[in-house]
Amino acid sequence: KQEVTQIPAALSVPEGENLVLNCSFTDSAIYNLQWFRQDPGKGLTSLLLIQSSQREQTSGRLNASLDKSSGRSTLYIAASQPGDSATYLCAVRPAAAGNKLTFGGGTRVLVKP
Amino acid sequence: DVKVTQSSRYLVKRTGEKVFLECVQDMDHENMFWYRQDPGLGLRLIYFSYDVKMKEKGDIPEGYSVSREKKERFSLILESASTNQTSMYLCASTYVDRGLYGYTFGSGTRLTVV
Repeated sequence: KQEVTQIPAALSVPEGENLVLNCSFTDSAIYNLQWFRQDPGKGLTSLLLIQSSQREQTSGRLNASLDKSSGRSTLYIAASQPGDSATYLCAVRPAAAGNKLTFGGGTRVLVKP
Repeated sequence: DVKVTQSSRYLVKRTGEKVFLECVQDMDHENMFWYRQDPGLGLRLIYFSYDVKMKEKGDIPEGYSVSREKKERFSLILESASTNQTSMYLCASTYVDRGLYGYTFGSGTRLTVV
């Protein structure tokens, strides 16, 4: 059974520092991996989608890498801002489970001004 | 942009009431999903649907049912609401494919059962 882990569960950094968020998964048979952002009391906003054949995706200050063989993805947020404070969730779409995502527990990020 | 719209942001219902949570998507997605999210438990799949009138149980279907009469609309029904169903409910949709597309989520419905 696929398991997705995000460590640390919480992270606090000063404004301007780069953020590095980790996601690991146990089964490398995946279609894709998706990073989401969730603000308190809100829904999930998709940040980046990486196909299983890709190594990385970039959008503005965000860069996500994928190493499928080792079961790892990393989300980098450059030059963090207080507005980046949120919970970040990664989710994998297992090849064996159709369209059902498996989520990590999330990393809660606080960027201090 | 794909939009997934949940009809209510906040709901307060009484124990024993029948509750309907509505979700509509505007991009002709075949797949639709209902999750609930609780502190410490993460997101848990309640039900999902691959097509109109088709539904499958997720990980925690007890106490819930669903309806999908039209492709764009997926309703979650709490037959007799209980306090342990107080939670954040999230709807999502995606295309049927081999992972070329991601999931799109709605803004969530915070349900409180008193």
